[in-house]
Amino acid sequence: QEQLVQSGAEVKKPGASVKVSCKASGYIFTNYYMHWVRQAPGQGLEWMGIIDPSGGGTSYARKFKGRVTMTSDTSTSTVYMELRSLKSEDTALYYCARGPGRGRVDYWGQGTLVTVSS
Amino acid sequence: QSVLTQPPSVSGAPGQRVTISCTGSSSNIGADYDVNWYQQLPGTAPKVLIHNNSNRPSGVPDRFSGSKSGTSASLAITGLQAEDEADYYCQSYDSSLSGVVFGGGTKLTVL
Repeated sequence: QEQLVQSGAEVKKPGASVKVSCKASGYIFTNYYMHWVRQAPGQGLEWMGIIDPSGGGTSYARKFKGRVTMTSDTSTSTVYMELRSLKSEDTALYYCARGPGRGRVDYWGQGTLVTVSS
Repeated sequence: QSVLTQPPSVSGAPGQRVTISCTGSSSNIGADYDVNWYQQLPGTAPKVLIHNNSNRPSGVPDRFSGSKSGTSASLAITGLQAEDEADYYCQSYDSSLSGVVFGGGTKLTVL
């Protein structure tokens, strides 16, 4: 069945970068978009952007433009999300989520906790 | 604050019916973009409850239903059960922001 497995928790210092991976299985990787959504502790869901794994095209939320890069590797059915210039406010659970379309998601990864602390 | 507005909390007794509202604007729900609803149980990833305004994925009980009208949408839960206690999020697409938008989430408490 469809599954998204993300990389493990990370602890980073302010100003550093983090790269989170999301490996897809159980479906045709290039037939679906992949969204990235984050959730700060005790807060709601925040959309970060989307990648089309088939062509690598991306669209980022304005808040993250210039600081985030999403990439895909079709040989391993894996997408990556890199966030740079980390601040303490970036401490959050980061989710990848499969998108049947640009406007919605169906399956979610388990989440990757990124902690930014000096 | 969130582009889509939800009440922070709702509550109901077992067996009762509750509704959660989601108010948007002319650039998202009012622009005829679909609304989707997600349930997030404590300590877990969100799960799709309703997609494309009123469609339930297989496995979601028919106690859950969604509707949309104008610039708003709502999620109704009938026959409330203790296991329904969770956070609920609405989601749509916004043409002004050119991206996905979420509501702030609603915490459902089963009394």
